[in-house]
Amino acid sequence: ETGVTQSPTHLIKTRGQQVTLRCSSQSGHNTVSWYQQALGQGPQFIFQYYREEENGRGNFPPRFSGLQFPNYSSELNVNALELDDSALYLCASSLDRLSTDTQYFGPGTRLTVL
Amino acid sequence: KNEVEQSPQNLTAQEGEFITINCSYSVGISALHWLQQHPGGGIVSLFMLSSGKKKHGRLIATINIQEKHSSLHITASHPRDSAVYICAVGPWGDKLIFGTGTRLQVFP
Repeated sequence: ETGVTQSPTHLIKTRGQQVTLRCSSQSGHNTVSWYQQALGQGPQFIFQYYREEENGRGNFPPRFSGLQFPNYSSELNVNALELDDSALYLCASSLDRLSTDTQYFGPGTRLTVL
Repeated sequence: KNEVEQSPQNLTAQEGEFITINCSYSVGISALHWLQQHPGGGIVSLFMLSSGKKKHGRLIATINIQEKHSSLHITASHPRDSAVYICAVGPWGDKLIFGTGTRLQVFP
């Protein structure tokens, strides 16, 4: 069983650009959640996808969007990047949507916006 | 006030010491998770609790639902335990809310 992977590991963008981050969930996991973690803070929930449909969204603007694909991969897209978007972006997969499910985290993508 | 509060924020210990990290929350929950984050970012799930106590190796996690409080204990701490420990709660029908973490450093 392979773990959760994310790409790229690091990314540097400039303000106003667009970025796509990728996540590959564990096989069989129907749910993927995306989190933003600023330096020194805990992760903040961005949104969750369950069987390719959005299943909940945190307090993030619409320029944060996502997709989940049938092959257990997913994307986080961020448009019109702002300096405050600099953070570690984590995805986590789980079997189901419940908060009692164990989440398996990827290593994260560190995004720097200049 | 944050919905999930952890204490202490930072903790240093000598190898072999008994460690306690606390988590208090203000919402009704169906589950509480303890997570470990190493430098570089990777997060590992340690425990999921909905009641009582769980033990895995040198780690023990307890939860008191009535008092909305959980503790993570590390017995016989080791330098490899150095990491950030994060408490996350799962409100009923809602998504996880994370604390800001406790940074633990264990010195030989």
